[in-house]
Amino acid sequence: AQTVTQSQPEMSVQEAETVTLSCTYDTSENNYYLFWYKQPPSRQMILVIRQEAYKQQNATENRFSVNFQKAAKSFSLKISDSQLGDTAMYFCAFMSNYGQNFVFGPGTRLSVLP
Amino acid sequence: GAGVSQSPSNKVTEKGKDVELRCDPISGHTALYWYRQSLGQGLEFLIYFQGNSAPDKSGLPSDRFSAERTGGSVSTLTIQRTQQEDSAVYLCASSSAVRLMNTEAFFGQGTRLTVV
Repeated sequence: AQTVTQSQPEMSVQEAETVTLSCTYDTSENNYYLFWYKQPPSRQMILVIRQEAYKQQNATENRFSVNFQKAAKSFSLKISDSQLGDTAMYFCAFMSNYGQNFVFGPGTRLSVLP
Repeated sequence: GAGVSQSPSNKVTEKGKDVELRCDPISGHTALYWYRQSLGQGLEFLIYFQGNSAPDKSGLPSDRFSAERTGGSVSTLTIQRTQQEDSAVYLCASSSAVRLMNTEAFFGQGTRLTVV
């Protein structure tokens, strides 16, 4: 079974600075998908960014980018120019190419400080 | 509707009572998911509906948990004889594609269930 690990329960960053959230996963599959979701205090999960394992190029969405290291099974999220609205729980998730559901990590609570 | 709607937003119930949690997915979305989020934990998959296919119930933690999806739209998650360990946020998500990687899953705001 796949597992997703996020080793940083909590992190903080100063406004306008850059922060990197770590995620590692375990799978024996070659093709799969990885996601970062944001959960603000409103509880609503919001997709931040996704990466297909067969793509070597790291995904980027505005201030959000990933460092996908397939051999190391690592999928970190970099947030540039952090904003107060980035304060939230961030979940890393794995989707098998054959599966129907997500496997989520335990989350990292990010606080952006003014 | 404009998004996934869940009701109630919060529910407090006495141990041993039955509860029903409702999810209204985005209109036209064929896939619907239920997840449970315990305090300080990640999301635990409960059940998945896709169109008229038999649901994937592999994540339901016990036979006290059940879910239905009527008419391919609204879904109800039922927990019978609630226990204190059932206290959690129950999240519903819907998607327009068979395979989630072709689109994104849209989540509701969840129902916070507290069993006292």
